[in-house]
Amino acid sequence: AQKVTQAQTEISVVEKEDVTLDCVYETRDTTYYLFWYKQPPSGELVFLIRRNSFDEQNEISGRYSWNFQKSTSSFNFTITASQVVDSAVYFCALSDSNSGGSNYKLTFGKGTLLTVNP
Amino acid sequence: KAGVTQTPRYLIKTRGQQVTLSCSPISGHRSVSWYQQTPGQGLQFLFEYFSETQRNKGNFPGRFSGRQFSNSRSEMNVSTLELGDSALYLCASSFDSLNEKLFFGSGTQLSVL
Repeated sequence: AQKVTQAQTEISVVEKEDVTLDCVYETRDTTYYLFWYKQPPSGELVFLIRRNSFDEQNEISGRYSWNFQKSTSSFNFTITASQVVDSAVYFCALSDSNSGGSNYKLTFGKGTLLTVNP
Repeated sequence: KAGVTQTPRYLIKTRGQQVTLSCSPISGHRSVSWYQQTPGQGLQFLFEYFSETQRNKGNFPGRFSGRQFSNSRSEMNVSTLELGDSALYLCASSFDSLNEKLFFGSGTQLSVL
């Protein structure tokens, strides 16, 4: 069965510190997609990144970077030089079809609450 | 381009009642999915609709149902409400599939008393 584990429930850092949010996933599919979403206090989830299972290249976007390692089934997210505006709940998610078909299902981790203090 | 719109924003119901939530996806998006978010269980997938057909379903009882109209707008219905149904219900849309970037609405906060 599909599963996404975000072991860190809450993280608190001081502004300008680097912080890494961990994500471990389980799937039987060979084709799957991984996502990170951010949920600020307003409640609306905001897309951050999508990665497919065949693309293990790490990605950097400004202060954000992602490390995808199939060998350890992990898709970790690092924020460099954190800012107060980064405070939010961050969700890792897995999309797979569980059968190799086209009917994808989305499974979210429980989320990590990141608080960046000034 | 308008985002995903969910109505109402807040809803208070009592046990045993039923409720209908509405979601208007981004124009041109054909896939609409629904999620329940609670402090205990987190974000859980309810179902996905595509071209007026339910394409996938999560592990929720039959009291939870939905439908999609020809204009891609979707409604979600919960019958015989229970206290445990209190949650934030989020709708998301994408052009074609759940393996794409999803655009989420702000949600409907349902309180069951």
